[in-house]
Amino acid sequence: DVKVTQSSRYLVKRTGEKVFLECVQDMDHENMFWYRQDPGLGLRLIYFSYDVKMKEKGDIPEGYSVSREKKERFSLILESASTNQTSMYLCASSLSPTGADTQYFGPGTRLTVL
Amino acid sequence: GQQVMQIPQYQHVQEGEDFTTYCNSSTTLSNIQWYKQRPGGHPVFLIQLVKSGEVKKQKRLTFQFGEAKKNSSLHITATQTTDVGTYFCAGKRGSNYKLTFGKGTLLTVNP
Repeated sequence: DVKVTQSSRYLVKRTGEKVFLECVQDMDHENMFWYRQDPGLGLRLIYFSYDVKMKEKGDIPEGYSVSREKKERFSLILESASTNQTSMYLCASSLSPTGADTQYFGPGTRLTVL
Repeated sequence: GQQVMQIPQYQHVQEGEDFTTYCNSSTTLSNIQWYKQRPGGHPVFLIQLVKSGEVKKQKRLTFQFGEAKKNSSLHITATQTTDVGTYFCAGKRGSNYKLTFGKGTLLTVNP
C-alpha cells in the first residue's frame, strides 16, 4: 500500500513565523502535490512537483514556497505565516501523469496561525 | 482556467434513500476521478473514468462519464450510514499533471 505521511497532524504558529510542513511518500512516485482545504472551498492546489528539484505553481501559490530535494520528500514553506493561512494542508502523491495517476493523500496537517 | 463545478454542496438523506452528486467541467476532460473523504479523514480514491459515456459500478455506487467528457455523476443506491462523507470529483485535462477538484458534496445519512 502507498503510504503518504505528514510531519504533524496539528500545528499552532504565530503570525510572522516561518513554517515548514513536510511530506514523505514511500512508493517512488514521480509527482507530489500540496493542497489546502477550507470549508466551502474544497481542495485548492498550492504547488506541485513532477520531479526532483522541479516545481510548478498551482492555483493559490501566493505566500507559499516548496522544496523537493529528494524524490520521496516534498516540503511546503510558509515564509511568514499569516492568519489567513490557517487551514488544513493535504499532501498527495501520484505515480505519473500519463499512467495510473490516482492521487494518494496524507492524513493532513491542521495549521492554526495566531 | 479550468473549473469543475459540483452540486449539490450538501445532501441529507434518510437511510435507504438514493443519492446523486453531479460534476460539470468548463472544458473537455481526459479523465475524471472520484474521491471520498470521511469526516476527520483524508480523500481516498474511489474510481477513474476515461472513456466517453463510460459507466462503472462498485457495489451500490454507479459512476458515469458524459458523452462529451465534460460531466460526470456518482449515484449511490440505498444509502447506508457508512456512506457518510464528502464526495469529490476531480478532472484532468490532457497530459496536464494537475487535477482540478470540485468543491465536494457532503452527504449525511439519517439512520
